[in-house]
Amino acid sequence: DIVMTQSPLSLPVIPGEAASISCKSSQSLLHSNGYKYLDWYVQKPGQSPQLLIYLGSNRAYGVPDRFSGSGSGTDFTLKISRVEAEDVGVYYCMQALQTPITFGPGTKVDIK
Amino acid sequence: EVQLVESGGGLVQPGRSLRLSCAASGFTFDDYAMHWVRQAPGKGLEWVSGITWNSGIIGYADSVKGRFTISRDNAKNSLYLQMNSLRAEDTALYYCAKDLGVVGATTDYWGQGTLVTVSS
Repeated sequence: DIVMTQSPLSLPVIPGEAASISCKSSQSLLHSNGYKYLDWYVQKPGQSPQLLIYLGSNRAYGVPDRFSGSGSGTDFTLKISRVEAEDVGVYYCMQALQTPITFGPGTKVDIK
Repeated sequence: EVQLVESGGGLVQPGRSLRLSCAASGFTFDDYAMHWVRQAPGKGLEWVSGITWNSGIIGYADSVKGRFTISRDNAKNSLYLQMNSLRAEDTALYYCAKDLGVVGATTDYWGQGTLVTVSS
């Protein structure tokens, strides 16, 4: 199984400042078709998870452009350019390459 | 508007069975793969199972393989999860999720979940 790790696990942020979350996979998520099968989700307090970024760097519909995803085959980053209060929640990376699909442990983002 | 409504959760004794359902609306159900993802109380997300649009490809997490069975009825726009031989560690909120429909297993819509509690 592909093991996903994230850092940090807790991230206090100041509104208006930038934030970054790292995600690493135990094997490459780069498919021969050129796509990187890495997604980012956020679970806001009391809500179901929602898709932020898919295939490494594509913003999901309706996601603000202050969110961006990047990365290589095994190392990925989610960046929030200017954190807003509504961005608090737990952020998960997920590999969508092979079953079993696996998630990272989550990074809890809250306001400092 | 895409809607996914899970049902069938509840309190069940270890070793017993439960069947979860997910009613889908707002999209062409038989065009998309579907997934079940669970979240134990206070814990992270765990993918449980997925099924392609025509049930041709099915996958399971190792933790449920041999005990859980995913299925779908495209005529009824419904997804199911038959859970047998339930264990305390299966206690979780179970989400139904729609596949985005691009390559890979990205999910773009999730239901609100149905809670399964396995306890004597």
